[in-house]
Amino acid sequence: DVKVTQSSRYLVKRTGEKVFLECVQDMDHENMFWYRQDPGLGLRLIYFSYDVKMKEKGDIPEGYSVSREKKERFSLILESASTNQTSMYLCASSLYRGRSYNEQFFGPGTRLTVL
Amino acid sequence: GIQVEQSPPDLILQEGANSTLRCNFSDSVNNLQWFHQNPWGQLINLFYIPSGTKQNGRLSATTVATERYSLLYISSSQTTDSGVYFCAASPNAGGTSYGKLTFGQGTILTVHP
Repeated sequence: DVKVTQSSRYLVKRTGEKVFLECVQDMDHENMFWYRQDPGLGLRLIYFSYDVKMKEKGDIPEGYSVSREKKERFSLILESASTNQTSMYLCASSLYRGRSYNEQFFGPGTRLTVL
Repeated sequence: GIQVEQSPPDLILQEGANSTLRCNFSDSVNNLQWFHQNPWGQLINLFYIPSGTKQNGRLSATTVATERYSLLYISSSQTTDSGVYFCAASPNAGGTSYGKLTFGQGTILTVHP
C-alpha cells in the first residue's frame, strides 16, 4: 500500500515564526503536492514538485516556499507565519509513467493554527 | 483552468437508502478521482476513474468522459458512510498538467440510523 506521512497532525505556532511541514512517501513517486483546505474555499494547490529539486507554483503560492532535496520528501515552508495561514495542510504524491499522471494518494493532514 | 462542480451540496439519507453523487468537469481529463474525507480530515481514495465503470463493494462509479461527468453510487448506505465526498480532476493538457488536481466543493452526506 502507498503510504504518505506528514510530520505532525496538529501544530500551533506564533505569528512571525518560520514553520516547516514535512511530507514523506514510500512508493518512489515522482510527483508530490501540497494543498490547503479551508471552509468555503475547498482544497487549493499551493506548490508541487515533479522531480528532485524541481518545483512549480500552484494556485496560491504566496507566503510559502518548498524544498525537495530527496525524492521521498517534500517540505512546505512558511517563511513568516501569519494568522491567515491557519488551515488544514494536505500532502499528496503520485506516480508518473510515460505521459500518464496517475492516482494521487494523500497523507493524514496537518492542522496548523497560527496565533 | 478546469472547473469541477459537484451536486448536490448536501444529502441526508436514512440508513439503507441508495444515493447518487454527480461531478461535472469542464475539460477533457486524464485523471478523475473520488475521495471520502473522514472525520479526522484524511482523504480516502475511493476510485481512480478517468473513464469507464468500477465497483468496490457497495460503492460504484461511472465516468462518461465524452460528456464530461462522473457519478458515484452508494447503495444500502450506512452511518459510517457519512462525511464529505470530493471529486477531483486533472486536465488532459498534453503532459503539462503534471497531474495537478482541481477539486469540487464536495457533497456533505449525512446518514441517519
